[in-house]
Amino acid sequence: EVQLQQSGPDLVKPGASVKISCKASGYSFTGYYMHWVKQSHGKSLEWIGRVNPNKGGTSYNQKFKDKAILTVDKSSSTAYMELRSLTSEDSAVYFCARSYYDQGAMDYWGQGTSVTVSS
Amino acid sequence: DIQMTQSPSSLSASLRGKVTITCKASQDINKYIAWYQHKPGKGPRLLIHYTSTLQPGIPLRFSGSGSGRDYSFSISSLEPEDIATYYCLQYDNLYTFGGGTKLEIK
Repeated sequence: EVQLQQSGPDLVKPGASVKISCKASGYSFTGYYMHWVKQSHGKSLEWIGRVNPNKGGTSYNQKFKDKAILTVDKSSSTAYMELRSLTSEDSAVYFCARSYYDQGAMDYWGQGTSVTVSS
Repeated sequence: DIQMTQSPSSLSASLRGKVTITCKASQDINKYIAWYQHKPGKGPRLLIHYTSTLQPGIPLRFSGSGSGRDYSFSISSLEPEDIATYYCLQYDNLYTFGGGTKLEIK
């Protein structure tokens, strides 16, 4: 069974960074791209970017290129997203999701990680 | 960037009734559109990709159609478990989601 298990909720201070994890199981981690998506409270979904777990290559939404850093650890089948210089605008739920193709629809998603930025 | 205009933003329908949601792209997306069902506290669930291809295990009451810039998604006979928010996603050029449609029972 394919599963993407994300880390728990985070409360972080403005200006700080946070690193969210997404542990994959039930499939070949390096055979699928991993995407990250943001959902601000009560709003729609925004694509942040994606990483190729096999070669580490990344592609970002221009809006998030200075905000997010996407990495993977193949040894533990885990993808990470670090968000830096956090502001209240970064308070949201963040999802990881996989796709088979570089430019393919995401078929399995994690349960989401809530990040709250507050002093 | 490609924009996706999804309508309506909310919808109230009767059980066993038909529901239709539309998405209009700002340019031709070559049928690279997917539809997702999203319930609170969970990740979105892929229902349809490439305009009309149903994911394995998805009931046949869900369907999609369209071409060019205009696409639609339908539920032929609404069931109680279909209450959710639905999103379209274009993946022809990077990724853009529609604004979402919150579906409720009338």
